[in-house]
Amino acid sequence: EAQVTQNPRYLITVTGKKLTVTCSQNMNHEYMSWYRQDPGLGLRQIYYSMNVEVTDKGDVPEGYKVSRKEKRNFPLILESPSPNQTSLYFCASRLRGEKLFFGSGTQLSVL
Amino acid sequence: GDSVTQMEGPVTLSEEAFLTINCTYTATGYPSLFWYVQYPGEGLQLLLKATKADDKGSNKGFEATYRKETTSFHLEKGSVQVSDSAVYFCALSDPTQGGKLIFGQGTELSVKP
Repeated sequence: EAQVTQNPRYLITVTGKKLTVTCSQNMNHEYMSWYRQDPGLGLRQIYYSMNVEVTDKGDVPEGYKVSRKEKRNFPLILESPSPNQTSLYFCASRLRGEKLFFGSGTQLSVL
Repeated sequence: GDSVTQMEGPVTLSEEAFLTINCTYTATGYPSLFWYVQYPGEGLQLLLKATKADDKGSNKGFEATYRKETTSFHLEKGSVQVSDSAVYFCALSDPTQGGKLIFGQGTELSVKP
C-alpha cells in the first residue's frame, strides 16, 4: 500500500531534550516536506527536499533540522525543543507536479 | 508573496444542506488550486484541483471553479452528509515558486443529522 509513515504519533517531551520525528515513504517520491499545523494558521512549511542530499528551508525553519540521506526517509530533528514548537506535524511526499501524500501526523507537546 | 484566505469556521450545517466554503488567493504567477480535506485524526487528502482559469474540479459531490477574474476557488456541495464533517483546506501551487504548496488556514465543517 502506498503510504507516508510518521512516527511517533504522539510525543510529550520537555524543553531542551533533543528529539527526532521519522518520516518514510514507499512510493519512490523525489519531493518530501514537513509542515506544522496550528489553529488559525493552517499548514506552514518547515523544510522540504527536492531529492537525496537536497534540502531547503520553508517558511518556518527556525529550531528545526532535516536530513535526506536516502530517498525514502526524511527525519525532522528538534535539537532543543521549546514550548512554541508544540504543534501537529505532518510529513508529505510527491512526484514532480503530482498531488501531495500526507502522513497521519505527529502531535508534539513540549513542556 | 502568495497567500490563500479562507472563510473562518467552524461551519455547522444540517444534513442535506448546501455548502459553500469561500477561498480567495493572491499569486504572482498562474497557480494551480487545490482543496484538501482532513478527517479527524488523519492527514490531509487531496479532494479536488484545477490547474487553469475556468477549470472546474470535482470529486465526491464537491465542486470548485477556478475564477481568475475574482481570484477565487470556492468549494461547494449541493447536499452535505454527516460523513463530510472534516477540516477543509484551500491551497495553491505557484510554478514560479517551484511548485510549493501554500495553504489557507482551514475551515472546520460540522454536519449534524
